[in-house]
Amino acid sequence: AQSVTQLDSQVPVFEEAPVELRCNYSSSVSVYLFWYVQYPNQGLQLLLKYLSGSTLVKGINGFEAEFNKSQTSFHLRKPSVHISDTAEYFCAVRPSGSARQLTFGSGTQLTVLP
Amino acid sequence: KAGVTQTPRYLIKTRGQQVTLSCSPISGHRSVSWYQQTPGQGLQFLFEYFSETQRNKGNFPGRFSGRQFSNSRSEMNVSTLELGDSALYLCASSLATGSNTGELFFGEGSRLTVL
Repeated sequence: AQSVTQLDSQVPVFEEAPVELRCNYSSSVSVYLFWYVQYPNQGLQLLLKYLSGSTLVKGINGFEAEFNKSQTSFHLRKPSVHISDTAEYFCAVRPSGSARQLTFGSGTQLTVLP
Repeated sequence: KAGVTQTPRYLIKTRGQQVTLSCSPISGHRSVSWYQQTPGQGLQFLFEYFSETQRNKGNFPGRFSGRQFSNSRSEMNVSTLELGDSALYLCASSLATGSNTGELFFGEGSRLTVL
């Protein structure tokens, strides 16, 4: 079984400042890792994913994440945020086999302040 | 290319009733998964269907059921509704081929309110 911990439930940050949203996971098997974003009254949109290879993954909207196997972490970063980045962000994992069941963290509400 | 379409977007039911939610996956996607999202429990996996067969099921009571049709469209049903079933129900589709890493594409969800 897998579990995901998002260490911060709310992160306020000023516009144009950098941000890091933290995610740690636990799994007894190898996993794929994902970050999704959810805007109000919408579904989930994939920001980026780590499947294998380079541990630094770049996604949409200027976001990137780094996979750290020894620390079982997959933190999301953006060097300069915009008001439009205000949303809830979810970290998720799934086994790297054929099963496609995602286990999600509890989410981090990112609020960008003017 | 059209995305994942879920209907209805909003609905209100009373306790004891049943509800059916529909999901049309992205064209060519054969796998459909359902998730429940609530403020208290977060996002929880309900079940996954592939080629009309339930492939995986989460830890939900038997009141929650689903099916998939030959055109990959899926429905989920909740019987004997309880107040705690109020949630956003999200459907996700995936290519689910052997070499595919199975990225999920989510719909906008069906928001169910149980009174």
